Amino acid sequence: SQKIEQNSEALNIQEGKTATLTCNYTNYSPAYLQWYRQDPGRGPVFLLLIRENEKEKRKERLKVTFDTTLKQSLFHITASQPADSATYLCALDKAGKSTFGDGTTLTVKP
Amino acid sequence: DAGVTQSPTHLIKTRGQQVTLRCSPISGHKSVSWYQQVLGQGPQFIFQYYEKEERGRGNFPDRFSARQFPNYSSELNVNALLLGDSALYLCASSLYAVDYSGNTIYFGEGSWLTVV
Repeated sequence: SQKIEQNSEALNIQEGKTATLTCNYTNYSPAYLQWYRQDPGRGPVFLLLIRENEKEKRKERLKVTFDTTLKQSLFHITASQPADSATYLCALDKAGKSTFGDGTTLTVKP
Repeated sequence: DAGVTQSPTHLIKTRGQQVTLRCSPISGHKSVSWYQQVLGQGPQFIFQYYEKEERGRGNFPDRFSARQFPNYSSELNVNALLLGDSALYLCASSLYAVDYSGNTIYFGEGSWLTVV
């Protein structure tokens, strides 16, 4: 069955450093992959979408890579800030159905 | 502009009861999707509707049903509630069908359902 795995442990980093979050998947060939941010008690907020034929995408301090051979996406936040502390979700999409990972909780310490 | 609005925000139901959750997408958006999110887990896909037609269905029992109205708003119905149905129910809207590349998806704040 399809499976998505994100960083198994919460990620704690120092302000100013680069946070790198991992999304691995098996038994799946997604058309595209999306990353979301979710704060406690709130709905997810869309951040970035990357297609299967794209290797990398950037938006301000965010960068996403997508390796369909390794079946892996990496999500980077450069120059991290305490306000970046949240849970980050990856989602794989194909034919109208989205499958989410369980998320990685990032804490950026001042 | 208003974002995706969901109602009610919180509700408590008894086992065996039925519940209806409502969602209004962003103005102009024709696609609505429903997700269930249990604490500590990612959202699980339930349904997607586009132009009032069901475009996708997740692995949920037939107790879950949904529909989309001519104004693109949507309702999610859950019958014969079980304790395990307690979760945050999220609605998401987008301009196009989800499988349209480059589509941005916007979530509402969700409806917290507690079944006792």
